[in-house]
Amino acid sequence: DAKTTQPPSMDCAEGRAANLPCNHSTISGNEYVYWYRQIHSQGPQYIIHGLKNNETNEMASLIITEDRKSSTLILPHATLRDTAVYYCIVRRANNAGNMLTFGGGTRLMVKP
Amino acid sequence: ETGVTQTPRHLVMGMTNKKSLKCEQHLGHNAMYWYKQSAKKPLELMFVYNFKEQTENNSVPSRFSPECPNSSHLFLHLHTLQPEDSALYLCASSQEMGAKNIQYFGAGTRLSVL
Repeated sequence: DAKTTQPPSMDCAEGRAANLPCNHSTISGNEYVYWYRQIHSQGPQYIIHGLKNNETNEMASLIITEDRKSSTLILPHATLRDTAVYYCIVRRANNAGNMLTFGGGTRLMVKP
Repeated sequence: ETGVTQTPRHLVMGMTNKKSLKCEQHLGHNAMYWYKQSAKKPLELMFVYNFKEQTENNSVPSRFSPECPNSSHLFLHLHTLQPEDSALYLCASSQEMGAKNIQYFGAGTRLSVL
């Protein structure tokens, strides 16, 4: 699976949009981009995933560049409860082992 | 509530003890996983079970012994652990194998080995 690079930490003001970047320059055509987050003392929580097109759900939006070498997770109106570590993960469509390879993630701090 | 329940939430054990971690999923999923999260380290996959069959053992020491009696339950049996085994142990489940599925995690068991 392709390796991802994320900034170790970011701050965001409450109520503002949080834009979390992820670089995956070695991504191949059949690899999906997944985002999970982990709030302190809890297990990781799925947020969103995509292949080529931008995606939106009730939690966030995922913007994938046309060359698919990077993506951005957008939390449109960040709240204090969105403070967490956010993980960007790239996985093959035929990943028979179904492994999620977690990196260090981005620690997002939402401030009042 | 994710539908994946882990017990106990906290466990303290000595190096000579034998204990077990339990995971139960109420989602009707077919695959279950154990992950380890040590302080200041990324999550590490330990074991994968698909339809009760172990399909992945990520070079885990034999002092960790998994058991999957059915698709809803997963255990991690612990014996003669070392202090460096202290960590958050997370269980997850998914509907199926493959990249499109989503893994749902429990809250974890925080283990301290004295």
